[in-house]
Amino acid sequence: GQQLNQSPQSMFIQEGEDVSMNCTSSSIFNTWLWYKQDPGEGPVLLIALYKAGELTSNGRLTAQFGITRKDSFLNISASIPSDVGIYFCAAVHNTGKLIFGQGTTLQVKP
Amino acid sequence: DTGVSQDPRHKITKRGQNVTFRCDPISEHNRLYWYRQTLGQGPEFLTYFQNEAQLEKSRLLSDRFSAERPKGSFSTLEIQRTEQGDSAMYLCASSRGQGEITDTQYFGPGTRLTVL
Repeated sequence: GQQLNQSPQSMFIQEGEDVSMNCTSSSIFNTWLWYKQDPGEGPVLLIALYKAGELTSNGRLTAQFGITRKDSFLNISASIPSDVGIYFCAAVHNTGKLIFGQGTTLQVKP
Repeated sequence: DTGVSQDPRHKITKRGQNVTFRCDPISEHNRLYWYRQTLGQGPEFLTYFQNEAQLEKSRLLSDRFSAERPKGSFSTLEIQRTEQGDSAMYLCASSRGQGEITDTQYFGPGTRLTVL
C-alpha cells in the first residue's frame, strides 16, 4: 500500500536546539499534516498544509508543503522538554483516510 | 467540544476470545475512522463511516473484524477469535466530513489490546 517515508527515526537533542524532520512519498498528495503523539494517547494535530509550497507556523513549529506535493518538512525551534514525543507526518488520501509515516521519536535533554 | 472518547482504554484477553471496542465521536461529526497502530509504527487505516454507512475497508480488516455505526453516532469494532498478532492500539478518529479540504480528523486516546 501507499507509504510515507519519515526521517530521522529518532533524535536526542539538547534543550534549546532546533529540530528538523521530513517526510517523502512516491505519490502526490494535496494535504499534508503533522501530528504529535504522547505515550498511551492518540495523535494530536499540530499543523495542516493545504497548498504546495505553503509554509505554516504554529508557535515554535514551522512546516512546509513541498512544491512537488510529494514531501513535507517540520521544524521545531528552541526545543523544550515538553517537546518530547513521537511526531508523525500524514497525508490525506482522496477518500479522506490518513496515511502516516513511521514517526520520529524526539527526546530532549534538559 | 467534548473530544473523541474510546472505551475501554486497555483490554487484555486470551487468544481465541472475542473483544469489542466502542468509540464515541465528537458530536455532529459525520465521519468516523478506525486505525490500528502497532509498536514503533504509525497508525494504519482500517475502515471509515460516513454517518451509518461503512464506505471503505482496508485489506487489514480480515473477516474476523467487524465494525458498525448503527445510528450514525457511536461505533463499535469487534474482533472475533483474537490472535496474538491483533495486539495493538486501536484508534478512533472523527471529522465533520462535509467535503472541505480542511476536514480535520480528531483522534481519541485509543484502546490498547493485548492478546495473551
